[in-house]
Formats: sequence, C-alpha cells, structure tokens
Amino acid sequence: DVKVTQSSRYLVKRTGEKVFLECVQDMDHENMFWYRQDPGLGLRLIYFSYDVKMKEKGDIPEGYSVSREKKERFSLILESASTNQTSMYLCASSPPGGGLEQFFGPGTRLTVL
Amino acid sequence: QKEVEQDPGPLSVPEGAIVSLNCTYSNSAFQYFMWYRQYSRKGPELLMYTYSSGNKEDGRFTAQVDKSSKYISLFIRDSQPSDSATYLCAMSYDYKLSFGAGTTVTVRA
Repeated sequence: DVKVTQSSRYLVKRTGEKVFLECVQDMDHENMFWYRQDPGLGLRLIYFSYDVKMKEKGDIPEGYSVSREKKERFSLILESASTNQTSMYLCASSPPGGGLEQFFGPGTRLTVL
Repeated sequence: QKEVEQDPGPLSVPEGAIVSLNCTYSNSAFQYFMWYRQYSRKGPELLMYTYSSGNKEDGRFTAQVDKSSKYISLFIRDSQPSDSATYLCAMSYDYKLSFGAGTTVTVRA
C-alpha cells in the first residue's frame, strides 16, 4: 500500500514562530509537492521538487521555503508564521515523467494564533 | 481570473440521483484532465483522467471533456451515500496540476 505521511494532523503555533511541516513518501517518487487548501480557493501549489536538493517555486511561495535532503522526505518551512498562513497543508508525490497522478498525504491543519 | 473555475456548491442529492459536476478553464496548454475525490479528513485521490475531448466511463462515473469550449464534466450515476465527498477537477501541464476549488457533494440515504 503506497503511503505519503505527514508529521502532524493538527498543529497550533504562535505568530512569528518558525514552523516545520514534514512529509515522507515510501514510493521512491522523484517528484514531491506542497499545497495549501483553503475553502473556495482549492489547492494552491506552494513549492515542488523534482529531485533531491532541487526545488521550484509554485504559485504562492511567499513566506515559505522547502528542503529536500533525501528523496523520500520533503519539508515545508514557515520562517515566521503569520495568521494568514492558517490553512490545511497537503503534501503529494508522483513518479517521474509527469504529475498525472499525485499521491497525497492526509494533510496538516495548521492554526497560527 | 483563475485558470480553473469550479462551482464550490455544496450539492445535496437523494440516493440514486445523477450528480453532475463541471469545471471551466482558460489555459489551452492543459493536456490531461482529471477528477480527484477527497473524503473528509483525507487527502485527494485520483478518480479518473482523460486526455482528449469526448467521454470516458468507469462504472458509475463518466468524465466528459470539451476542449473547444474549455469545459469538463463528471457525472455520477445511481449515486450512493459513499459518494459523499469533495470532488476536485484538476488539469495538467508539464508535471504540475492546477486544481478547481472543489465541489462538496452529499448523497442523502
């Protein structure tokens, strides 16, 4: 059974804190993605990575950074959390050759107070 | 204007009804057209995908693409309470996906 796991289901942080969201996949996929999901806006791509140590900005990268030191792990970092980063964060992975099917984790509900 | 527009609903139908969902898009470069299903407290899962204009059936589900109108649809026949979920359309260019807002569907027993 293929798996994408995320480190926390629920997270509450204070404004200004540094926040790490971790994602691990066991499918040996090259591509990994971070999205945020907000009501009425759907999924918006924050960052993606198509190889270890490679990263590309998505549609809404401001206020975020990422790290991919190992193929199976992709981390999203909020350098200084703000209330407008309260959201559901979803990690996904896909095999090389195209993102036709992306496999998603269960999501992390982040609340920034 | 968003690249992919989807009516967020919500949609509530009785069991056995036909559910009709649709999306419009503006980017002619999109190559693949997908529908993802997301149950409560879960990540989205791919339900169906199509490449060309026309219809594709998979059991009770039919996906329809009209590239000339930049319009895609998903039909669910004989809907069941287990179909209650949020349905997101998605479109692919290169290896990135652009998602619609998602339509929440409730099928009443």
